Amino acid sequence: GEDVEQSLFLSVREGDSSVINCTYTDSSSTYLYWYKQEPGAGLQLLTYIFSNMDMKQDQRLTVLLNKKDKHLSLRIADTQTGDSAIYFCAEKDGSQGNLIFGKGTKLSVKP
Amino acid sequence: GAVVSQHPSWVICKSGTSVKIECRSLDFQATTMFWYRQFPKQSLMLMATSNEGSKATYEQGVEKDKFLINHASLTLSTLTVTSAHPEDSSFYICSARDRDSGYNEQFFGPGTRLTVL
Repeated sequence: GEDVEQSLFLSVREGDSSVINCTYTDSSSTYLYWYKQEPGAGLQLLTYIFSNMDMKQDQRLTVLLNKKDKHLSLRIADTQTGDSAIYFCAEKDGSQGNLIFGKGTKLSVKP
Repeated sequence: GAVVSQHPSWVICKSGTSVKIECRSLDFQATTMFWYRQFPKQSLMLMATSNEGSKATYEQGVEKDKFLINHASLTLSTLTVTSAHPEDSSFYICSARDRDSGYNEQFFGPGTRLTVL
């Protein structure tokens, strides 16, 4: 079945860039998403990318998609302490339409 | 952006009781709502897909008689955990797909933390 893999932890210093990586298996995914989850809260959509795009930039966020390798990354420029959270990569199931999530990457930002 | 609410945000109940969780899309119509469950430090696992006016589709391993889902209108879906037990304690999150969204985005509720004593 479909699977989404992410590294579990990332630690950076405030002001540095953070890069969170994700691999997925469903080549028929049309959309790929990045969600942010703060402690005890639900998911907040950060950004998404359509499968025919290579890159999408939205303020401090840059999403890169390598469809050949089924690799997605999220770069956060000038990372702030408020960016500390768990970041979930998700792909849209091509047949069902539901989202399949990775386990999440816990981003810790040190002052 | 579109807002999805869940009620209650947290609930503590005794073992054997039933708990109902509501998921509402506040400013859009959602023909499809999804119910997820999240265990501590783990990802979200899809439990069921709920389509307005029809029976929910449950994922493998999810007991439909235990987790009753009703999607009575385009803005409301409910999840009832029947005869709850401590192992049902979890964070339950719903999402709603905006019927008119061009990229099929799902909007997530804030989640409901269920603790069964």
